[in-house]
Amino acid sequence: AQSVTQPDARVTVSEGASLQLRCKYSYSGTPYLFWYVQYPRQGLQLLLKYYSGDPVVQGVNGFEAEFIKSNSSFHLRKASVHWSDSAVYFCAVSPNYGNEKITFGAGTKLTIKP
Amino acid sequence: GGIITQTPKFLIGQEGQKLTLKCQQNFNHDTMYWYRQDSGKGLRLIYYSITENDLQKGDLSEGYDASREKKSSFSLTVTSAQKNEMAVFLCASSKDWGANTLYFGAGTRLSVL
Repeated sequence: AQSVTQPDARVTVSEGASLQLRCKYSYSGTPYLFWYVQYPRQGLQLLLKYYSGDPVVQGVNGFEAEFIKSNSSFHLRKASVHWSDSAVYFCAVSPNYGNEKITFGAGTKLTIKP
Repeated sequence: GGIITQTPKFLIGQEGQKLTLKCQQNFNHDTMYWYRQDSGKGLRLIYYSITENDLQKGDLSEGYDASREKKSSFSLTVTSAQKNEMAVFLCASSKDWGANTLYFGAGTRLSVL
């Protein structure tokens, strides 16, 4: 079975600063990896996903993530955050053979300081 | 595009009460899901339905029932609400089963007195 660890429950950064949200997964095979974002009082929305190929994947609103197989990581990055990026971010993993459920991490709450 | 509509948005119940949450999607997706979201615990899968006539238990199915009335709708029943329980229940859908993009509703916030 797969699992996801997001070690930082809360992260605070200043507007305009760079951001990295950490995600480590546990799965013996090749995973599919996802980052979702949840804005206040809303459901989750997909930011980006990795299936195969280039380990750096681009998402919406300037977000990107890098799959590092040797480190079992899929950290989310953004070069310059905006106040509107304040939200909860979830990393998720599923096996790559398409008949298993997606497992979500506990989430990281991002707060942007003015 | 499409939308997932969850009703009600807020639900206040009494201990021991049976409570039903509803979800409708107009994506024409095959697969639908119910997740429970607790603070600091991420999302836990309660029930899912791969196709219209299917029902599968997730990791947290005890204390819940589900019903896939038709392709577009998926209901969740809390069989006996627990005192002081507070959680958000999220409905989601995907085109089909597997590693696909999930589309989520805004959630039903449950409080039990």
